[in-house]
Amino acid sequence: NAGVTQTPKFQVLKTGQSMTLQCAQDMNHNSMYWYRQDPGMGLRLIYYSASEGTTDKGEVPNGYNVSRLNKREFSLRLESAAPSQTSVYFCASSERPNYGYTFGSGTRLTVV
Amino acid sequence: GQQVMQIPQYQHVQEGEDFTTYCNSSTTLSNIQWYKQRPGGHPVFLIQLVKSGEVKKQKRLTFQFGEAKKNSSLHITATQTTDVGTYFCAGRNGNTPLVFGKGTRLSVIA
Repeated sequence: NAGVTQTPKFQVLKTGQSMTLQCAQDMNHNSMYWYRQDPGMGLRLIYYSASEGTTDKGEVPNGYNVSRLNKREFSLRLESAAPSQTSVYFCASSERPNYGYTFGSGTRLTVV
Repeated sequence: GQQVMQIPQYQHVQEGEDFTTYCNSSTTLSNIQWYKQRPGGHPVFLIQLVKSGEVKKQKRLTFQFGEAKKNSSLHITATQTTDVGTYFCAGRNGNTPLVFGKGTRLSVIA
């Protein structure tokens, strides 16, 4: 079982460029999440989708948009990348909001 | 908003010594979860605590949830080099998404 798959694993962008981070899970989970991880800051929630068809802002949503394409897929889009968005991005899913999360292996994004 | 504080930020221990990390919330939690992240890896779910005063064990790891459901701890007995990594607590109130602490990075010196 693949679990949670994120693509790409690494990406370098120039300031102002756009890109979409892809996330797919094969566990039939209802809830999906995007977190960013910066040194000394822990994991901060960007956006989440409690169930298919719904999305909500997390702690740090500015500069990002999301799409819950179907039950399996939850993408994160950076419309105009900024150096402050240099980070490691993790997608996660859970069967229900109050269950444990399964994380993907992450996308390491550098914006220059 | 809800905040989850975790201490210490770093801990260096000799192999065989014990290790404890503490987690405190600004609000009462519905449940608390613990995750481990190996260097260069992703967080992996360890356990969830739900009941006031709950204690759970996984081999050398002991997890506790405070009576007031505002604090928690993870204790590792006789650390091994395989315990190296960052340990995160994460709490929630109701069905809101998890709020993660900043983690405790554990180094084990052989």
